[in-house]
Amino acid sequence: LAKTTQPISMDSYEGQEVNITCSHNNIATNDYITWYQQFPSQGPRFIIQGYKTKVTNEVASLFIPADRKSSTLSLPRVSLSDTAVYYCLVGAGAGSYQLTFGKGTKLSVIP
Amino acid sequence: GAVVSQHPSWVICKSGTSVKIECRSLDFQATTMFWYRQFPKQSLMLMATSNEGSKATYEQGVEKDKFLINHASLTLSTLTVTSAHPEDSSFYICSADSVGGKGEAFFGQGTRLTVV
Repeated sequence: LAKTTQPISMDSYEGQEVNITCSHNNIATNDYITWYQQFPSQGPRFIIQGYKTKVTNEVASLFIPADRKSSTLSLPRVSLSDTAVYYCLVGAGAGSYQLTFGKGTKLSVIP
Repeated sequence: GAVVSQHPSWVICKSGTSVKIECRSLDFQATTMFWYRQFPKQSLMLMATSNEGSKATYEQGVEKDKFLINHASLTLSTLTVTSAHPEDSSFYICSADSVGGKGEAFFGQGTRLTVV
């Protein structure tokens, strides 16, 4: 499984757009990129998954450059409730449920 | 989306006793479930892979005789922490796959185990 590197922490004010970048230099051809959100004392929650280019859903966008060695999770107009740890995972194909979690990025949203 | 439920949400037990944690897939069948452990301010660490009707596969360093896993049906996996000690105090989380899903894993809400 490809190793991922993310910033340990980020701060943002409410209403701003937040971009969290993840490096995965050793990503394999059939690897997908998946982001999860975890609140304290809760299990992780799926946010978004992509393979290349851009993916958008109702909560976030995922930007993946052509070389796929990095990806950026974009959260539009964050609120206090978006304060959480965000994990970037790279795995062998959609549906790879044995997940290896890195350290994640602790996002703190400030009023 | 699919729902995975863990029970109990938290438990306190005495050192030397055993504790059972249940993980249920409520609206789908899960042939494979995964058990993770998370210590404070740390990431999730995979403990074992639980397959319905067969023995679990444990990650290196995880004692299979201490962390007993049973996956007797397609909707239930259990993790039993035997002879618990204070160092076993942690947040235990299960996840399950869903055939035909979009590729995301579904996680339970976690179980906070405190051994006193």
